[in-house]
Amino acid sequence: EPEVTQTPSHQVTQMGQEVILRCVPISNHLYFYWYRQILGQKVEFLVSFYNNEISEKSEIFDDQFSVERPDGSNFTLKIRSTKLEDSAMYFCASSPGQGAYNEQFFGPGTRLTVL
Amino acid sequence: AQSVTQLGSHVSVSEGALVLLRCNYSSSVPPYLFWYVQYPNQGLQLLLKYTSAATLVKGINGFEAEFKKSETSFHLTKPSAHMSDAAEYFCAVSSAGNQFYFGTGTSLTVIP
Repeated sequence: EPEVTQTPSHQVTQMGQEVILRCVPISNHLYFYWYRQILGQKVEFLVSFYNNEISEKSEIFDDQFSVERPDGSNFTLKIRSTKLEDSAMYFCASSPGQGAYNEQFFGPGTRLTVL
Repeated sequence: AQSVTQLGSHVSVSEGALVLLRCNYSSSVPPYLFWYVQYPNQGLQLLLKYTSAATLVKGINGFEAEFKKSETSFHLTKPSAHMSDAAEYFCAVSSAGNQFYFGTGTSLTVIP
């Protein structure tokens, strides 16, 4: 069964460093997302991406964040200068179509720890 | 604006007992509602979804949920808990665009 994969499973970085979190969405899906979950808090939407551009983003997704689909398979989230409060679990998701009723398929997450 | 509230961050049930995980939603437009489950070291897996068809929705692994507009609720139930049901459960709502709004999750423990 096709699934969303994410690498690495755990990333430790120093404050101020750049990190890139990688995701491989399901191959025939067209919509891609990033969410994050700070420990003990809600899973929060960051950004959605379609047709090589951002379609929606939350207020969390500021200039420190960027997303890219560098090739036909990968979808990346870059944090330019990490802060302590960026420590969280980051989930990638994809869906075959748009619309609120479409199931989003989630990856296992990358746990980011900023020291 | 859309949001969900999950009452009870931790729920413990005995094996074979009823599972009830609570979710209340807030939405200014008719919502689409989802329950996801997360097993350790795995991604979020869809259990079931409500998309304005039948109000009683059946999902995988014997779970079901009932949409009650009057109570703005979408509680998840299973008649008989199994050890393999131990996991984190997330309720989510979506009504416009592609953005999902999640609850804080409920950790289910099944006691043998």
